Amino acid sequence: GENVEQHPSTLSVQEGDSAVIKCTYSDSASNYFPWYKQELGKGPQLIIDIRSNVGEKKDQRIAVTLNKTAKHFSLHITETQPEDSAVYFCAAGRLEYGNKLVFGAGTILRVKS
Amino acid sequence: NAGVTQTPKFRVLKTGQSMTLLCAQDMNHEYMYWYRQDPGMGLRLIHYSVGEGTTAKGEVPDGYNVSRLKKQNFLLGLESAAPSQTSVYFCASSYLRQGDEQYFGPGTRLTVT
Repeated sequence: GENVEQHPSTLSVQEGDSAVIKCTYSDSASNYFPWYKQELGKGPQLIIDIRSNVGEKKDQRIAVTLNKTAKHFSLHITETQPEDSAVYFCAAGRLEYGNKLVFGAGTILRVKS
Repeated sequence: NAGVTQTPKFRVLKTGQSMTLLCAQDMNHEYMYWYRQDPGMGLRLIHYSVGEGTTAKGEVPDGYNVSRLKKQNFLLGLESAAPSQTSVYFCASSYLRQGDEQYFGPGTRLTVT
């Protein structure tokens, strides 16, 4: 089955700096890669996703890149703000399989002001 | 809309006791999921459902049972709780379309002593 590894487990940045979180997956058939943000005491919330027919996707300060050959994808947050502090999860899945996802272990992002 | 709600928010069980966690969604979603979240392990899929009256196993189904008698509700049961089932449980739901966002509930923190 699919296995998703996520790095780093914790990341501290200064406000205004960029943050990058990386994930690798094992199943070459995976074709859907969402990123979720989880704030303290809440459930995860989708922030951006990418499908395997796209190499990069941007939404304001957030971007995701996908390298299908190397089987890795990354989340980039620019101009970080204190409210970006949260736990971020990557996930991988196959669109045709009931939207089932396998999640990475998560990255705790701390933005210092 | 309330979105996805979970009952209860907290629960402490003794080993061997049973309980049922309730998930309800008011978005008319076809798919529903139960995950558990443990420190350093991300979210792991326990069981899921692709429609009323249907259920299927996820990554870690042992020790749990589920039922989806109504489209809006998804129940997770622990017949004989074990300390290894101490975790935070999240329910999620999504539309039938491939790749649609999973909407998560606020979670249930379960401790088994």
